[in-house]
Amino acid sequence: AQKVTQAQTEISVVEKEDVTLDCVYETRDTTYYLFWYKQPPSGELVFLIRRNSFDEQNEISGRYSWNFQKSTSSFNFTITASQVVDSAVYFCALSEEDSGAGSYQLTFGKGTKLSVIP
Amino acid sequence: DAGITQSPRHKVTETGTPVTLRCHQTENHRYMYWYRQDPGHGLRLIHYSYGVKDTDKGEVSDGYSVSRSKTEDFLLTLESATSSQTSVYFCAIQGARGYTFGSGTRLTVV
Repeated sequence: AQKVTQAQTEISVVEKEDVTLDCVYETRDTTYYLFWYKQPPSGELVFLIRRNSFDEQNEISGRYSWNFQKSTSSFNFTITASQVVDSAVYFCALSEEDSGAGSYQLTFGKGTKLSVIP
Repeated sequence: DAGITQSPRHKVTETGTPVTLRCHQTENHRYMYWYRQDPGHGLRLIHYSYGVKDTDKGEVSDGYSVSRSKTEDFLLTLESATSSQTSVYFCAIQGARGYTFGSGTRLTVV
C-alpha cells in the first residue's frame, strides 16, 4: 500500500529564512506521481507541483524548489527567503493508477504547518 | 482552471439525520473524488467515481454512499450522520495535469 510521511508537524521560521519541508513516500509501483499542495488559512487547496516518477530533475519556481530523490524515496520542498504569505499547511501527496479503473487516487501526508514570523 | 463547486459550504446537522453534499464540475472530467480532512489525518479518500454510475470505495467509506447520475454531479450522502463525521469534505476532479479541489464543505454533526 502507498504511504506518505511528513515527519514535521509544525515549523516556525523568521521571515526571510529558508525552510525545507520533508516528504518521504512508499510505493511498490514504478509509475507514480508526487504532488505538493498548499492550504492557506482560508482553507482552499492550492496545487503547487506535480512530478512524474521518471523525472528526477529538480525544479525551481521563483522562491520554491523541489528535490526529488528516488534513491531515498523523498520529495522535499524548499522555500527560499520565506514570507509571511507562505504561512500555511503544506501537503505532500502520492498517486498511483488504480488498476483497471484508470483513476489515480491521491494519498496524502498529514501535512506540515508552516508559520512565518515577521 | 477547471470549474468545480461544492454545496453547501457550511452545514450543521443533528445526529441521525441524512445529509447530502454536492459536487458540480463544468469541465466534463471523467474522474471525481470525495475526501475528508481531519486534524492529524490529512486528507483521506472516501469514495471516487470513474464515470456515470461507476463508483468505488476509498479508505474511509463506512457510513457514506455516493451517486453519479450525470458526468457533472457527484453526490456524497451520509445516510445517518454521526458526530465522527464532523469534518471538512473536499471534492476533486482529475484533469490532465492533476487534481483540482473544490472549496470544501464544513459539516458539523451535533
